Amino acid sequence: DAGVIQSPRHEVTEMGQEVTLRCKPISGHNSLFWYRQTMMRGLELLIYFNNNVPIDDSGMPEDRFSAKMPNASFSTLKIQPSEPRDSAVYFCASSLETQAPGDTQYFGPGTRLTVL
Amino acid sequence: AQSVAQPEDQVNVAEGNPLTVKCTYSVSGNPYLFWYVQYPNRGLQFLLKYITGDNLVKGSYGFEAEFNKSQTSFHLKKPSALVSDSALYFCAVRERDSSYKLIFGSGTRLLVRP
Repeated sequence: DAGVIQSPRHEVTEMGQEVTLRCKPISGHNSLFWYRQTMMRGLELLIYFNNNVPIDDSGMPEDRFSAKMPNASFSTLKIQPSEPRDSAVYFCASSLETQAPGDTQYFGPGTRLTVL
Repeated sequence: AQSVAQPEDQVNVAEGNPLTVKCTYSVSGNPYLFWYVQYPNRGLQFLLKYITGDNLVKGSYGFEAEFNKSQTSFHLKKPSALVSDSALYFCAVRERDSSYKLIFGSGTRLLVRP
């Protein structure tokens, strides 16, 4: 049973370049989350999709960041143009949101992004 | 405002000894509570959660956590630590009227020495 899959695992790019991070959620899950992890700010929720629709993007830091979920099995997080302060580990997580309480989010291995 | 506090940046224990990783929260009502573990260069792995009922919750790898409503705490415990338990542990809470938003603590690094 495959978990959440993210690619690439590591990305090194230069300031100003476009970066695209990819995520495949667990099959059957209807909710998808993008998080960013830094030493200074810890884990922050960037955006939340439910049934492929963005529900909460209040955590997206600025217009340079965009996320899409064209279908239930794929999502992208794009940064254009990238800046050194975007360097972080980006996690994708998915869950099966039901009427039952306390749905659990399952995390992917993360993408470590370094912007030079 | 909602918040989660993990007061210890690092916890050091000897292998075989009991361990406790502390978590307190400030959330309205009775939240859902979670513990995750992160190994180096890995994503967060779900350990256990409290929804309702018995205040003592058992999870993966022999871990358990005790929900204390009066102290608004959800401390993670294990009776006998293993060197392989060394990792970064995160406590998270979610309000009952929120379908998705997890608030994470800052994390506690557990170091189990042989």
